[in-house]
Amino acid sequence: ELKVEQNPLFLSMQEGKNYTIYCNYSTTSDRLYWYRQDPGKSLESLFVLLSNGAVKQEGRLMASLDTKARLSTLHITAAVHDLSATYFCAVDIGGSQGNLIFGKGTKLSVKP
Amino acid sequence: KAGVTQTPRYLIKTRGQQVTLSCSPISGHRSVSWYQQTPGQGLQFLFEYFSETQRNKGNFPGRFSGRQFSNSRSEMNVSTLELGDSALYLCASSLSPMSSYEQYFGPGTRLTVT
Repeated sequence: ELKVEQNPLFLSMQEGKNYTIYCNYSTTSDRLYWYRQDPGKSLESLFVLLSNGAVKQEGRLMASLDTKARLSTLHITAAVHDLSATYFCAVDIGGSQGNLIFGKGTKLSVKP
Repeated sequence: KAGVTQTPRYLIKTRGQQVTLSCSPISGHRSVSWYQQTPGQGLQFLFEYFSETQRNKGNFPGRFSGRQFSNSRSEMNVSTLELGDSALYLCASSLSPMSSYEQYFGPGTRLTVT
């Protein structure tokens, strides 16, 4: 069975701290996506990682992909309250955006 | 540039009824995907359309169907609604179904089945 596992599922952190969210997947894929979802809102695309070793950064967020380990990480640097949201990773299993398998999401709460 | 629009935003239906949801992609985008989001099952892929053709379908029963029109607008239909169909239905558009293209999500339609 294809699985995409995120951990942790819940993360409470203080402002200014660093932390990493992990996304493990069980099938061969070299394409992975990260999304952000605010409560009651839709998904916002954060990163598209298309090859082994891909690293992308935007502000305080940095995502990387290791296809050999079937692992992607989303690293948060010096967290601020505005980063509070649920973060999803999604793995492309079919070479098309129509074959995405999503993780269960990591609910991040950044406290002052 | 207008984003992805979905109508209606909220919908309440009764078991056994059918429902049609609409999605208008970003201008110029020809690929549309649909997803279902529930607290229990999370985000699950429903369909993907490109140039009026269904390219992929997720693991959902035949009660779930969709189509895409020549202007790239898409509709999904759920017949014989069940309580478990209550969910947020998200539509996403991109220039192409190729993985390298970013998907842009609409605000979603929240369907409640009573």
